[in-house]
Amino acid sequence: GAVVSQHPSWVICKSGTSVKIECRSLDFQATTMFWYRQFPKQSLMLMATSNEGSKATYEQGVEKDKFLINHASLTLSTLTVTSAHPEDSSFYICSALGGSTDTQYFGPGTRLTVL
Amino acid sequence: QKEVEQNSGPLSVPEGAIASLNCTYSDRGSQSFFWYRQYSGKSPELIMSIYSNGDKEDGRFTAQLNKASQYVSLLIRDSQPSDSATYLCAVAGGTSYGKLTFGQGTILTVHP
Repeated sequence: GAVVSQHPSWVICKSGTSVKIECRSLDFQATTMFWYRQFPKQSLMLMATSNEGSKATYEQGVEKDKFLINHASLTLSTLTVTSAHPEDSSFYICSALGGSTDTQYFGPGTRLTVL
Repeated sequence: QKEVEQNSGPLSVPEGAIASLNCTYSDRGSQSFFWYRQYSGKSPELIMSIYSNGDKEDGRFTAQLNKASQYVSLLIRDSQPSDSATYLCAVAGGTSYGKLTFGQGTILTVHP
């Protein structure tokens, strides 16, 4: 149980375009999902907390207009990187709070490369 | 001051030995403690969660928690080369339910 999927697993795009990443909880409902970014040889950096049916809460320094988060259902959250630039190239990982526990289960991640 | 600190690595142990990973945290309001394993290029996977003082065992893994000392550890017995990965200590609790604070990670290498 507690499986989280992400799509796509990798994406290459041109600078200036937008990219949408989906995060789904497959066998449980997740009222809260989290989005992280990880650069090479660094730990995970929390970008935002996504709550179903409400606006996301962004961490300090994360541009909410650039990283659009939508959590329209209990099993799906999306992250859209708008007007992507090469410095946005990173490993984006989502996680979901599992059921009634405070355990976060992570998706497999999406590797974004912006040319 | 970092909120969650892990022992500096990398840590290298021979196959079959015990690997000991340590973590301290600064927020006394922390209530939940997790160890994740992350292979290179992959996302973290949960190994253990622990909520109460003492030891919790799951197969070759034992997590230890001491809230008075604000210390949590992970022991890996009979280490295998497949255990080679980065181990992340994560702490949750306080005002933000479910929100994790991660340590910087400890790279473990188990050599044959």
